[in-house]
Amino acid sequence: GESVGLHLPTLSVQEGDNSIINCAYSNSASDYFIWYKQESGKGPQFIIDIRSNMDKRQGQRVTVLLNKTVKHLSLQIAATQPGDSAVYFCAEKDQGAQKLVFGQGTRLTINP
Amino acid sequence: NAGVTQTPKFRILKIGQSMTLQCTQDMNHNYMYWYRQDPGMGLKLIYYSVGAGITDKGEVPNGYNVSRSTTEDFPLRLELAAPSQTSVYFCASSLAYEQYFGPGTRLTVT
Repeated sequence: GESVGLHLPTLSVQEGDNSIINCAYSNSASDYFIWYKQESGKGPQFIIDIRSNMDKRQGQRVTVLLNKTVKHLSLQIAATQPGDSAVYFCAEKDQGAQKLVFGQGTRLTINP
Repeated sequence: NAGVTQTPKFRILKIGQSMTLQCTQDMNHNYMYWYRQDPGMGLKLIYYSVGAGITDKGEVPNGYNVSRSTTEDFPLRLELAAPSQTSVYFCASSLAYEQYFGPGTRLTVT
């Protein structure tokens, strides 16, 4: 079956730097994508989402980019802070479906 | 709003025992979901519901059962616990596509 995957399982960045977390997807029928942040021992928290009719969406310190040509999604976090340390998951939704399909996650570590 | 609440937070079961994981949401969401998360892995969908009285299988339904008698509650039942069911279980709900997650139940089967 088609699935969502991540390029890198771990990412370390210096505090204050920008970080980019990547996600590849294979379902060309996906029409909605979402990023979640999961801190240790907690449930996933919504960060930002994007529909397939958009290329870019910005939130507070976060930007999601969608490249449908190469089926690639990325999450950019500006000026990383220690509180950004977590596992980040992308998820996608097939057109006409309600369910989300989650990738395996990337662990982001912020070095002081 | 309390959001999505789950009980218990932790549980240890012996092989063959049964238990019900409780999930309640107070946001009046029609959609509810149960996921399991194994160590270092992503979330796998067990069951979901599009409204009271309607449930459907997800990716990994074997060994589990659900019911949805009210909009608020979506309990997950394990009938004969097996070591392979050791995991963290998350309940979620949504109005549309953005899902709101509970804090999880950590289950160990020995």
